Amino acid sequence: EAQVTQNPRYLITVTGKKLTVTCSQNMNHEYMSWYRQDPGLGLRQIYYSMNVEVTDKGDVPEGYKVSRKEKRNFPLILESPSPNQTSLYFCASSATQGPYEQYFGPGTRLTVT
Amino acid sequence: GENVEQHPSTLSVQEGDSAVIKCTYSDSASNYFPWYKQELGKGPQLIIDIRSNVGEKKDQRIAVTLNKTAKHFSLHITETQPEDSAVYFCAASKGNNDMRFGAGTRLTVKP
Repeated sequence: EAQVTQNPRYLITVTGKKLTVTCSQNMNHEYMSWYRQDPGLGLRQIYYSMNVEVTDKGDVPEGYKVSRKEKRNFPLILESPSPNQTSLYFCASSATQGPYEQYFGPGTRLTVT
Repeated sequence: GENVEQHPSTLSVQEGDSAVIKCTYSDSASNYFPWYKQELGKGPQLIIDIRSNVGEKKDQRIAVTLNKTAKHFSLHITETQPEDSAVYFCAASKGNNDMRFGAGTRLTVKP
C-alpha cells in the first residue's frame, strides 16, 4: 500500500530535550516536506526537500532541522524543543516539486511542557 | 508571498443540501489550487484540484470553480452526506515548495 508513515504518533516531552520525528514514504517520491498545523492557521511549511541531500526552509523553520540522506526518509529534528512548538505535525511527499498532489502522513501530535 | 483566505471557518448543513466553501488568493502567478479533506485523526487527503488554465472541474458530487481575474476559487459539494463531515483546506501555489493553505473550514452534515 502506497503510504507516508510517521513515528511517533503522539509525543509528550519537556523543554530542551532533543527529539526526532521520523517520516518515510514508499512511493519513490522525490519531493518531501514537513508542515505544522495550528488552530486557525491552517498548515504551514517548515522545511522541504526536492531530492536526496537537497533541503530548504519553508515559512516557519526556526527551531527545526531536517536531513534527507535517503530518498524514502525525511526526519524532523527538534534540537531544543520549546512550548511554542507544541503542535500537530504532518510529513508529506509528492512525485515532483510540482505543483502536484501531496500525500500526507497521519500526523504526530507533539506537546512540549 | 502568497496569502490564502478561506471562508467560512465553520459550516453546518442538513444532509442532502449543498455546501460551498470559498477561498481568495493574492499572488496572480499561482497556478495550482488543490482542496484537501482532513478527517478526525488523519492527515489531509486531496479530493480535487484545478489548474489555472481551467475554469471549472467536477468529480461526482464535488466541483471546484476558479475565477483568475477575481483571484478566488470555490469548492461545491452537492447532495451532502454525513461522511462529508470533515475539515476542508484550500491551497494555492506555483510549486509544492510555496504552497499556502487556508485556515480550514469545519463542515458538519446533520443527518
